[in-house]
Amino acid sequence: GAVVSQHPSRVICKSGTSVKIECRSLDFQATTMFWYRQFPKQSLMLMATSNEGSKATYEQGVEKDKFLINHASLTLSTLTVTSAHPEDSSFYICSARETPNQPQHFGDGTRLSIL
Amino acid sequence: QKEVEQDPGPLSVPEGAIVSLNCTYSNSAFQYFMWYRQYSRKGPELLMYTYSSGNKEDGRFTAQVDKSSKYISLFIRDSQPSDSATYLCAGSNTGNQFYFGTGTSLTVIP
Repeated sequence: GAVVSQHPSRVICKSGTSVKIECRSLDFQATTMFWYRQFPKQSLMLMATSNEGSKATYEQGVEKDKFLINHASLTLSTLTVTSAHPEDSSFYICSARETPNQPQHFGDGTRLSIL
Repeated sequence: QKEVEQDPGPLSVPEGAIVSLNCTYSNSAFQYFMWYRQYSRKGPELLMYTYSSGNKEDGRFTAQVDKSSKYISLFIRDSQPSDSATYLCAGSNTGNQFYFGTGTSLTVIP
């Protein structure tokens, strides 16, 4: 149980392209989803928290116009990296949680490479 | 000071050894603790989820929380090559937002 699917797993695109990443909870309803960025040999960096039907809450330093998050249903959240540039290249991981105090379950991540 | 500190390693042990992975945290209000295992190019996989102090055992894995010293540990008995991965600890006070350590890289040598 508690499976989170993230798609695509790998994206390579040109600078200036917008990229959409999907995160789905397959066997539970996720009232909250989280988006992280992970750099090599570094910890998970929380970018934003999204609750179903509400606007996402962004962490300090994360541009909300750059990283658009939508959590329109209890099983789907999307992260759109708008006008991506090489410095946006990273490993993006989503997680989902059914209720507060429950553990987060992670997707397998999306490796984004901007040329 | 980071909320959660974790020695990045790398840690290398022979197959069958007992592995001890440790983290310290700074917020005395933390009550919820998690351990994740992350294989290369994959997302973290939940291993243990504990509340408050004490021990929790699941198969070869034992999680231990010592709130008096703000120290959390994960023990792996009879370690296997398939346990080779990065292990992340995390803590939270409300169970809402979790703070992650940087991860410890473990290699179990056959």
